[in-house]
Amino acid sequence: DQQVKQNSPSLSVQEGRISILNCDYTNSMFDYFLWYKKYPAEGPTFLISISSIKDKNEDGRFTVFLNKSAKHLSLHIVPSQPGDSAVYFCAASPKLGKLTFGTGTRLTIIP
Amino acid sequence: GAGVSQSPSNKVTEKGKDVELRCDPISGHTALYWYRQRLGQGLEFLIYFQGNSAPDKSGLPSDRFSAERTGESVSTLTIQRTQQEDSAVYLCASSSTLETQYFGPGTRLLVL
Repeated sequence: DQQVKQNSPSLSVQEGRISILNCDYTNSMFDYFLWYKKYPAEGPTFLISISSIKDKNEDGRFTVFLNKSAKHLSLHIVPSQPGDSAVYFCAASPKLGKLTFGTGTRLTIIP
Repeated sequence: GAGVSQSPSNKVTEKGKDVELRCDPISGHTALYWYRQRLGQGLEFLIYFQGNSAPDKSGLPSDRFSAERTGESVSTLTIQRTQQEDSAVYLCASSSTLETQYFGPGTRLLVL
């Protein structure tokens, strides 16, 4: 039972354009959501988070949007840069503790 | 170093052998987590330590898996009688209470 789903295994975006990564969840008890970025042979690196009391959180080029009624969140990266090429994982938790992860989306930024 | 460290970085073992994986969390972090990532899949929660509380073992896939943590420092994940399906990257993370988890580089385990 996949409680956190990332339905796009891969995404290619031109450098300078906007990258939009999507994530859906099924567990209504989740109230904290995070995005992690992972390069090959490294552990995941925390990128940005959002709690359920908000619908948007912004940090530089990265913005996360949360639609609780649709149980959907998205990560926007603008403008996209070659260094953004990585696998992005969406994660969720009912309280900030153990995380349930999606299967990841491989983002490739085309120079 | 300031980050989470794990050892060994790679481990190749034969089916049926026991393995021990080590995690050194960030100093001062009270919470420690183990996850694993099998090929082509997301991260799968295994076990969670928080201070002196009883660990949350709900993610351990079988009784061949166990983990210990000494106080608020090092943790060891032990897999007994390894099977080929145990092959994965085992990731450790630590956090201050109720804050973001920071991951180590992982241990790549291959069971032949």
